[in-house]
Amino acid sequence: DSGVTQTPKHLITATGQRVTLRCSPRSGDLSVYWYQQSLDQGLQFLIQYYNGEERAKGNILERFSAQQFPDLHSELNLSSLELGDSALYFCASSVGIGNYEQYFGPGTRLTVT
Amino acid sequence: GDSVTQMEGPVTLSEEAFLTINCTYTATGYPSLFWYVQYPGEGLQLLLKATKADDKGSNKGFEATYRKETTSFHLEKGSVQVSDSAVYFCALPLGGSQGNLIFGKGTKLSVKP
Repeated sequence: DSGVTQTPKHLITATGQRVTLRCSPRSGDLSVYWYQQSLDQGLQFLIQYYNGEERAKGNILERFSAQQFPDLHSELNLSSLELGDSALYFCASSVGIGNYEQYFGPGTRLTVT
Repeated sequence: GDSVTQMEGPVTLSEEAFLTINCTYTATGYPSLFWYVQYPGEGLQLLLKATKADDKGSNKGFEATYRKETTSFHLEKGSVQVSDSAVYFCALPLGGSQGNLIFGKGTKLSVKP
């Protein structure tokens, strides 16, 4: 158990809909990262927050957004969903930013039908 | 830019065989290097890490040495078990960033009894 929790574990929704994925980092970790894992793209970094502030953006679509709250949990919002958004979404956390190891949650499997 | 190149799988071995999974990298400076493992149906787990040149990371019988001269971080295990069957990812923090990871494509290992 990494100490990172993600909910829900599975999500099935229709095209055009909006969903919210939630992540709670390990106790004491200030940095949260979101990654997308799909068969064709592999593991791709989406966005990072540190202590409530956005710090880095990767290949995140404009339809996607995220935030980190004062209690350090984070939410990833995916809107106007398309079939191609079906993937595993992982949250990871680390104590700081830079060369720190990241600890991953179990992931949320999103299926868009 | 920074990148990770990992040997393609799948790799199939018999129990007690020797394992090598090659990983080479291109990076700005000398970042930490990581191996993550993903067991079927689970999230990524940090397997081992090395933070500077010539460091050897080790865990659960796996080892990898940070080789600056060959820009490599190959994963090895002397005697694999069926329980080692998983996907292995080499990773490094993107240079100049806040630490978000770049992953190799992953190598699927299957160990037969």
